[in-house]
Amino acid sequence: DAKTTQPNSMESNEEEPVHLPCNHSTISGTDYIHWYRQLPSQGPEYVIHGLTSNVNNRMASLAIAEDRKSSTLILHRATLRDAAVYYCILRRDNYGQNFVFGPGTRLSVLP
Amino acid sequence: EAQVTQNPRYLITVTGKKLTVTCSQNMNHEYMSWYRQDPGLGLRQIYYSMNVEVTDKGDVPEGYKVSRKEKRNFPLILESPSPNQTSLYFCASSWFSGSSYEQYFGPGTRLTVT
Repeated sequence: DAKTTQPNSMESNEEEPVHLPCNHSTISGTDYIHWYRQLPSQGPEYVIHGLTSNVNNRMASLAIAEDRKSSTLILHRATLRDAAVYYCILRRDNYGQNFVFGPGTRLSVLP
Repeated sequence: EAQVTQNPRYLITVTGKKLTVTCSQNMNHEYMSWYRQDPGLGLRQIYYSMNVEVTDKGDVPEGYKVSRKEKRNFPLILESPSPNQTSLYFCASSWFSGSSYEQYFGPGTRLTVT
């Protein structure tokens, strides 16, 4: 799987939007972009995934650059509960179960 | 409630004493995985299973065994634990959502080997 690069940490104020960037310049045409997050003292949880088009779900939005070399996870209104480590992962689906997690971005949300 | 359960949640043991960490899911998922999480190294996959009796190595399989005799269970076996296997372990199950796999993680098992 191709490599991703994320900032080590970011800070946001409560109730403001948060844009978490991920660079994946070596992405291939069949790589899906996945985002997971890990709240303190919990296992990771799935957030969203996409291939080419922007995606929305109840948790977040995923904006994918036209050349697919970068993507941005958007939390529309950060809450204190959104403080977590966010992982951007590329996977050559639709086969296999080998997931490679990088160090992720630690998001702090200030009240 | 859909969930992945792990037992025990905390375990302190001694070097060489065989142990098993159980993992069970109630979502009828075909796919299951084990990860370990260490400070500075992040989450690393140990083993995964595509279906009953089908398992494969992840990135760090040395010192671990797994078995998948039933769809719902995927135990992690440490035949002869060593201190470098002290870690936080997560089990996950996943399903194919139509475009990709989504993983559900258990609450974790904190293992200390002395």
